[in-house]
Amino acid sequence: EVQLLESGGGSVQPGGSLRLSCAASGFIFGSYAMTWVRQAPGKGLEWVSIISGSGSSAYYADSVKGRFTISRDKSKTTLYLQMNSLRVEDTAIYYCAKDDRFDSTGYPEYWGQGTLVTVSS
Amino acid sequence: QLVLTQSPSATASLGASVKLTCTLSSGHNNYAIAWHQQQPEKGPRFLLKLNSDGSHDKGDGIPDRFSGSSSGAERYLAISSLQSEDEADYYCQTWTTGIQVFGGGTKLTVL
Repeated sequence: EVQLLESGGGSVQPGGSLRLSCAASGFIFGSYAMTWVRQAPGKGLEWVSIISGSGSSAYYADSVKGRFTISRDKSKTTLYLQMNSLRVEDTAIYYCAKDDRFDSTGYPEYWGQGTLVTVSS
Repeated sequence: QLVLTQSPSATASLGASVKLTCTLSSGHNNYAIAWHQQQPEKGPRFLLKLNSDGSHDKGDGIPDRFSGSSSGAERYLAISSLQSEDEADYYCQTWTTGIQVFGGGTKLTVL
């Protein structure tokens, strides 16, 4: 059974940093791309970033480019999202997801339950 | 620009059927999409991947009551024999190399 468990959310001031983690199990971690998606309070889903199965390719939404970094650790079967220079508008629930294929050309087929990030002064 | 458009809301009765629509932006008629369901206070759940020819692949454990179809730039999600637990937000999503795009979502109310 595929399981994705996010952690690392919390409250931070504008300009601060947080690192989110997503512990994955139930599948061959290195064989699938992974995605971060966020949802601001009362809003819809917004794609944030994707990383290929090998970790060699990563892409970002324009809203986070240059501030967020996605990475993965095959030995720990864990996905990360390093978030720097956080803004109030980054406040959201952050979901990690397992994609349907190895490269960055697919879609999420399994989702985690999310972790809440609140950016406020 | 790759954009998905969904109606904000839909309403249907318990036991009835409903068809939700997702429209691809001009020039993207051949794109596949995915449908995701988000029940209140829960994370999203993948329902099915829908190709431009109407063929679709469902996620694990998705009931036969859920199906997809396509016509031109329109992608549909049909739900039959509506149950109370089908009351949820439904998002369509598409993708190309290095980017994923979500529609704004449709809130389905089951009366």
